[in-house]
Amino acid sequence: DAGVIQSPRHEVTEMGQEVTLRCKPISGHNSLFWYRQTMMRGLELLIYFNNNVPIDDSGMPEDRFSAKMPNASFSTLKIQPSEPRDSAVYFCASTLWGIQETQYFGPGTRLLVL
Amino acid sequence: AQTVTQSQPEMSVQEAETVTLSCTYDTSESDYYLFWYKQPPSRQMILVIRQEAYKQQNATENRFSVNFQKAAKSFSLKISDSQLGDAAMYFCARVQGGSEKLVFGKGTKLTVNP
Repeated sequence: DAGVIQSPRHEVTEMGQEVTLRCKPISGHNSLFWYRQTMMRGLELLIYFNNNVPIDDSGMPEDRFSAKMPNASFSTLKIQPSEPRDSAVYFCASTLWGIQETQYFGPGTRLLVL
Repeated sequence: AQTVTQSQPEMSVQEAETVTLSCTYDTSESDYYLFWYKQPPSRQMILVIRQEAYKQQNATENRFSVNFQKAAKSFSLKISDSQLGDAAMYFCARVQGGSEKLVFGKGTKLTVNP
């Protein structure tokens, strides 16, 4: 069974450019989470979806960040315009809420904004 | 804000010996879930073990076990017969009541010496 899939695995971009991170959750899972990991702040929840609906986006740092989940198999996290302080590892995780509470993580996307 | 505290930024252990990683948490709820995740240098977040707060019995997964003290709000991880592959960052996490949010500790870096 495939796990959570994220792409790209690495992204290097210049300040001001648009960045789009992609995630495919585990088939059958109904909740999807986006996290950011930095040395300074550790692991932070940015936003999560339940049945494709955003439930809590209080962790999204600012309006430059947006996330969508158009269907149960796909989600995107977009940063526009990107800034050097956005450099981090971004994780996507999924779970089958109501049945199990364990979140399964993707391999992460390492973003470097120059 | 409800927090998860890992008081040991770094720990080391000799191969084949036992090590215990500490975690305490803050909660006002009676039902919740606790997790230990492992993050090796590859940065993949791997579930090690989970504990349901309503269960008295401590969870065990092969060489990994927990000491769950609900009244003390303590959730330590014991790794027996440590192996070189156990070297990683270990994160304690808790599902926040009333939502699906995982709250993470800052992590403990475990070094295994041959």
